[in-house]
Amino acid sequence: AQSVTQLDSHVSVSEGTPVLLRCNYSSSYSPSLFWYVQHPNKGLQLLLKYTSAATLVKGINGFEAEFKKSETSFHLTKPSAHMSDAAEYFCVVTRRNDKIIFGKGTRLHILP
Amino acid sequence: DVKVTQSSRYLVKRTGEKVFLECVQDMDHENMFWYRQDPGLGLRLIYFSYDVKMKEKGDIPEGYSVSREKKERFSLILESASTNQTSMYLCASSLMASGAQYEQYFGPGTRLTVT
Repeated sequence: AQSVTQLDSHVSVSEGTPVLLRCNYSSSYSPSLFWYVQHPNKGLQLLLKYTSAATLVKGINGFEAEFKKSETSFHLTKPSAHMSDAAEYFCVVTRRNDKIIFGKGTRLHILP
Repeated sequence: DVKVTQSSRYLVKRTGEKVFLECVQDMDHENMFWYRQDPGLGLRLIYFSYDVKMKEKGDIPEGYSVSREKKERFSLILESASTNQTSMYLCASSLMASGAQYEQYFGPGTRLTVT
């Protein structure tokens, strides 16, 4: 069975410092992995996706994530946080002919 | 750009009322989904549909039903609203080809309060 774990429910960083949001997954076969962002009172927006092409995936707003099969991880990073990055982030795993599994979310706080 | 619209951003209903939440997508996607989102619980799938008139139960279907009469429209129905159905409801759509799941596109959400 598939599963996804976001290791931190809250992360706080100062503006201008790096962001790391951690996601581990469990999947028997080649998964597809996604990161979504949700700003307050809004729907979810796709940040980036991994679907078995390049392991380093670049997304919108300067975010990127690296698929590491040996570590079953898909952590989201950004070199320099901006106040507008404050939001909730969801890691999602799925695979062919199977369910879509959402992580519980990580709320990112940006300190001035 | 894909657009997924939901009929209301905010809704207040009384216990026992029948509630309809409508979702429309404009990209000819096969799949449509209804989720509810609650603090600390993340997104939970209520129902999804992979074709017109087809529906599948998600993880928490109790107290809900759905209707998909046209490809672009997916309705969530609360037959008799209860206070524990107070939540944010999110609709999404996606392509599916050869069993592969593509990314989902979400609507802005409907915040439903049942009093």
